[in-house]
Formats: sequence, structure tokens, C-alpha cells
Amino acid sequence: GQQLNQSPQSMFIQEGEDVSMNCTSSSIFNTWLWYKQEPGEGPVLLIALYKAGELTSNGRLTAQFGITRKDSFLNISASIPSDVGIYFCAGHKPVNAGKSTFGDGTTLTVKP
Amino acid sequence: KAGVTQTPRYLIKTRGQQVTLSCSPISGHRSVSWYQQTPGQGLQFLFEYFSETQRNKGNFPGRFSGRQFSNSRSEMNVSTLELGDSALYLCASSLGGPGLTYEQYFGPGTRLTVT
Repeated sequence: GQQLNQSPQSMFIQEGEDVSMNCTSSSIFNTWLWYKQEPGEGPVLLIALYKAGELTSNGRLTAQFGITRKDSFLNISASIPSDVGIYFCAGHKPVNAGKSTFGDGTTLTVKP
Repeated sequence: KAGVTQTPRYLIKTRGQQVTLSCSPISGHRSVSWYQQTPGQGLQFLFEYFSETQRNKGNFPGRFSGRQFSNSRSEMNVSTLELGDSALYLCASSLGGPGLTYEQYFGPGTRLTVT
């Protein structure tokens, strides 16, 4: 079946540093989504990308839809302690209706 | 707008019992998807309902079932519970109609523990 490879699996960084994570797939997706999940909560949608090559920002977060449509990247600039959590990428294609395929997540720890 | 709500938030059941979880989507959203989240398997898709019809189904046994009501609220049922069913069950809603985006908004989840 479809699989998303998300890396790195975990990151330990100092407050103020920039963070990069990415997701690759063997399949083409029409939509890439990035979520953040904190303990005891459901994933929260951060950014949605709809076109190959698209670059979208949400505050200190920037995500890109790869031109091959098989990958996506998320960058967080000037990290702060509240950025701690698990970041998931998800790919979607219309033929799958309400099913998104999720990566395994990147666990981010930020040291003050 | 109110977000996605799920009840109950926590549940402890015994092997062999059955359980029903409930999800109320964001107002105006007609698609409701269910996912199982475990440390070992990540987020796994269970099924999706749109306008009271199951539109897509993941690779889970028939013990897992769901339904959607005319007001878009959805329930999922797990019968004959097994220890391996212990997980966080997440519901996600989206507009979901033809030509619309599939941005999914998640509820807080129901933490099911099977003993």
C-alpha cells in the first residue's frame, strides 16, 4: 500500500534554532498536509498544500509541495518551547475520498 | 465555529466486550473519517462516511464498523474487543464533497484501554 517516509524520526534542538523535516512517498499525491499533535490531543492542521512547487507559510512555519508531487518539506524558524510536539505529514488524493495517508511523525523537543 | 467533538474521551473495557464511540463534526462538514493511532502503527485509516454512506474503508477486521446519521454525526463500534484494540481513536471531519478540499480537522480522540 501507499507509505510515507517521514524524517527525521526525532529532533532535539535549542530554542531559537531552525528545524527542517521532510516526507517522501513512492506515490503521487494531489494534496500534502502538515499536522502537529500535542500529548492528549488530536492532530491540528498547520498547513495544506495543493499545487506542485507551492510554498506556503503560516507564521514561523513554511511548507513546500515538491515538484515531483512525491515529497513535501516543513521548516520551522526560530523555534520556541511551545513548538514541542509530534509533526505529521499526510498525503491525499481524491480517489481515496476521506482517507489521508500519514507519515510516522517527527518528534520535536526544544530546549530552552 | 465549534471544533470536532468526540465522546467519551476515555474508556476502559474488558476483552470480549463491545464499545461505541461518537463523533460530532464541524458544522457544515459532511465527511467523517475515523483513524486508529497506536505507538507501533501510527495513524491508520479505519473508514470514512459521507452523507450517511461509507465511502472508503481501511484494512481492519469486520469487528470494526461505523455509521453516520443525517446530521453528519458518526459513531464507530468495535465488537468482541481484543487487547490489541487499545489505542487512541481519532475522528476527523472535512467538507469532503466533489471538487472540495480534503483538509481534515481532528477531534481530541477517545483513549480506549482494553484489559
